[in-house]
Amino acid sequence: AQKVTQAQTEISVVEKEDVTLDCVYETRDTTYYLFWYKQPPSGELVFLIRRNSFDEQNEISGRYSWNFQKSTSSFNFTITASQVVDSAVYFCALSEANGNKLVFGAGTILRVKS
Amino acid sequence: KAGVTQTPRYLIKTRGQQVTLSCSPISGHRSVSWYQQTPGQGLQFLFEYFSETQRNKGNFPGRFSGRQFSNSRSEMNVSTLELGDSALYLCASSLGTSSSTDTQYFGPGTRLTVL
Repeated sequence: AQKVTQAQTEISVVEKEDVTLDCVYETRDTTYYLFWYKQPPSGELVFLIRRNSFDEQNEISGRYSWNFQKSTSSFNFTITASQVVDSAVYFCALSEANGNKLVFGAGTILRVKS
Repeated sequence: KAGVTQTPRYLIKTRGQQVTLSCSPISGHRSVSWYQQTPGQGLQFLFEYFSETQRNKGNFPGRFSGRQFSNSRSEMNVSTLELGDSALYLCASSLGTSSSTDTQYFGPGTRLTVL
């Protein structure tokens, strides 16, 4: 069975600090996909990134970066120089190949204080 | 391009009633998935529809059902509502290729309260 664990329930940082959100996954599939979504107070899940199991290259998009390590089954997300607008709940999710069923972690609440 | 739209945004029902929620996917997207979000259980997959057929189903009782129309719009229905059905119901659309995992884009959700 697939499982996603986000051990950090809540993180509080001061603006401009860097913050890393952890995500550990479990799957028996060799082909799978990993995602990160952001959920601001409005409730809508905003897509951030998708990564397939064969692409272990780290990715950077502006202040956001992702570290995918198959050896430790982790897909961590780092926000550099955090801003108040980054305050939200962040979800890591896993999907098997040939399917659109997402298995979500419990989410991490990020609070960025000015 | 317009995003995923869901109607209504808020709904209040009483136990025993039934409810229908609607979702219009992004233009050109053929797959629609539904998720339930509650404080206790988090985000859970309900079902996915592709080309008017249910392609995948989560672990929910038969009171939860859905359908998809030829224009890819989808509805989900919950019959005999229980207090525990109070949740945010999120719809997600994706391109819907036949044999891969697509990126899902979510709508704003319908907040259902069961009294």
